[in-house]
Amino acid sequence: GAVVSQHPSRVICKSGTSVKIECRSLDFQATTMFWYRQFPKQSLMLMATSNEGSKATYEQGVEKDKFLINHASLTLSTLTVTSAHPEDSSFYICSATRTSRTDTQYFGPGTRLTVL
Amino acid sequence: GQQLNQSPQSMFIQEGEDVSMNCTSSSIFNTWLWYKQDPGEGPVLLIALYKAGELTSNGRLTAQFGITRKDSFLNISASIPSDVGIYFCAGQEYNTDKLIFGTGTRLQVFP
Repeated sequence: GAVVSQHPSRVICKSGTSVKIECRSLDFQATTMFWYRQFPKQSLMLMATSNEGSKATYEQGVEKDKFLINHASLTLSTLTVTSAHPEDSSFYICSATRTSRTDTQYFGPGTRLTVL
Repeated sequence: GQQLNQSPQSMFIQEGEDVSMNCTSSSIFNTWLWYKQDPGEGPVLLIALYKAGELTSNGRLTAQFGITRKDSFLNISASIPSDVGIYFCAGQEYNTDKLIFGTGTRLQVFP
C-alpha cells in the first residue's frame, strides 16, 4: 500500500507556457502533500507543503504566484508552473502522508520538466 | 534552503565490500530517514529511525540514530550491483512534517 503517482512523468514545453503536474495518492487518503524540486546531481529541496482544503505553505524563496498548488481532495494535489522559463527545468517530486504528525512520506516517481 | 551534510559525496567500491555513509546536522531532529534514489525516479524509503541511539537493520542495511540527535549513519554490508544509486539521509522536523534532505552519496559498485 501507500502508492503515490505523478502525471505526467515527462513534459516539454515552450517558454512562457504553463504546465500542470498532478500528484495522486492511489490507495490512501493524504492529509498532507509536499512538493520538492531537484536539479541535476543535487538533493531534493522542499518547495511547499499543502494540506487538503487549505492554502499551501511555501518555503522561503519559492514564488507562490509562479508555482500554484491546489490540494482540492484527499487524494490529489496539483502543481502548476506558470509562465515557465528554462531555469524552471527540473525534476519535480511530490510526497504524501496519511496523517500530519511523524508519518512516513511516500514519494511519487517524479516529473521531469524541460522548458525550451 | 537548509541541507544536511552528508559524506562521502561519492563512493566507488567493489562488489562484496561494505559501505558506510553518514549525515550530520546543526539542528536536532526527532526522526532520521534514509532513502535510495535511482536515476529518474523518486526516493524510496530504506530505514526510518525514531529514537536517539536506535540501531535498526533492514536486510544488509543498518542505520543508527545518533545520541545527540544531530547525526546518523547508514551501513551496507556485502554490496551488490543493484545497490548502485544515490543515497539520501533526511531529518524530519518535530513541529512540522518537513523533511530536510542531505546532500546525497552516489554509490557505484563494480563487479
